[in-house]
Parts: sequence; structure tokens; C-alpha cells
Amino acid sequence: NAGVTQTPKFRILKIGQSMTLQCAQDMNHNYMYWYRQDPGMGLKLIYYSVGAGITDKGEVPNGYNVSRSTTEDFPLRLELAAPSQTSVYFCASRLGLAASYEQYFGPGTRLTVT
Amino acid sequence: TQLLEQSPQFLSIQEGENLTVYCNSSSVFSSLQWYRQEPGEGPVLLVTVVTGGEVKKLKRLTFQFGDARKDSSLHITAAQPGDTGLYLCAGAGSGGGADGLTFGKGTHLIIQP
Repeated sequence: NAGVTQTPKFRILKIGQSMTLQCAQDMNHNYMYWYRQDPGMGLKLIYYSVGAGITDKGEVPNGYNVSRSTTEDFPLRLELAAPSQTSVYFCASRLGLAASYEQYFGPGTRLTVT
Repeated sequence: TQLLEQSPQFLSIQEGENLTVYCNSSSVFSSLQWYRQEPGEGPVLLVTVVTGGEVKKLKRLTFQFGDARKDSSLHITAAQPGDTGLYLCAGAGSGGGADGLTFGKGTHLIIQP
């Protein structure tokens, strides 16, 4: 199993450009999450989804959008990139509420906005 | 907003020494998880504690959940260079974590040979 995959691994954007960070999982997990990790700040939740067609905002959703059309995929969209969005982005998935608490993380996407 | 305070932020010790990392909050969590993260990779789960007062052991690592489920500790006995990494605690709220986890800022641990 590939687990949670993220593409791209690295990306440099100019201010105002847009991009989509891809996330896919092959574990048939219901719950999926997007976090950003800034130096010395831990991980902060951007958006999450408890199933296909259902998404909700986390702690820091401004400047981002998500969609969940399938169980497997959970892309994160940046419409107008800003330097404050320079960060490492992690996608994670979890089987379900009544199952294991464990979240499985992807390898991350390192984004620089200049 | 639930907050988790981790201490220390940085710790550099010699191989063979013992250490403890703390994770504290004023909020109650339904469960608390400890993750370890290597450079360039995503966090990997070490353990989940659910019951107040619970103690779990993973080889030389001992994890404890506070009686009131507001704090946790990670104790490493006879640290090895392979223990080097970023250790993160993460708490699940009353919803069991369906709406994501609250992470501490992490403890950067370096074990020198």
C-alpha cells in the first residue's frame, strides 16, 4: 500500500499565483485532513473532511479551499498565493471515529511563495 | 481554542542519559497522541493514550496521561542516537478528533553519541 501520497514535493510560487496541492490515500479512510507546519509552531489544521462531499474549516482556513469528490482524494487549492502561505503542508487520513485514533500523514509539500 | 504547551522546546543530551518531555494544557482531551517526525517526512504515531492515569510503554519510551486528561509526559530511558527527532504531542477534543488534532509546538531532541 502507498498510504498517503502528496504531490508535488516542492514548489515555488510567485505572489498572486494559484496552485493545487494533491493528496490521495489508498486505505479507504473516511476522514482526511490538511495541516500546515511552520518552524517552531507545530501543525495547524486548515481543513478537514469526514467523507466524500463533506468538508469543514479548521483553525487557519483563510486563503485556502478544498473539495472531496471521492473517498481517496482531498486536494487543497491556493487561489492567490501570499508570502504568509510559505510553509510545509501535510495531508493526513484516519479510518473513522469509532476506529483507531491514529492519523496517517503524507510526506509533505514544501511551498515557498516569493 | 485548545492549546498544548510542550517543554522543553529543544533538548540535547548524551547517549545513555534519561529524559522527560512534557505536554500540558488547561483543556481536557478525549485522547492524546505522541508522534515522532524525521526531517523531510510526515509525523508518525508512537502511541495513543485515552484513559486518565494511563501508562504505556514502547521499549525504552514510557508515556503517561494525566489523571485529569489535561497533560501527558514522554520519558525515554537510556537515550540512543536513533531517538533523535522532533516529538509532537497532539490532543483530540470532545469529538474524538474527528475535527482534527491540536498539536503542541514540538520538542527537538538530539542524542549525541
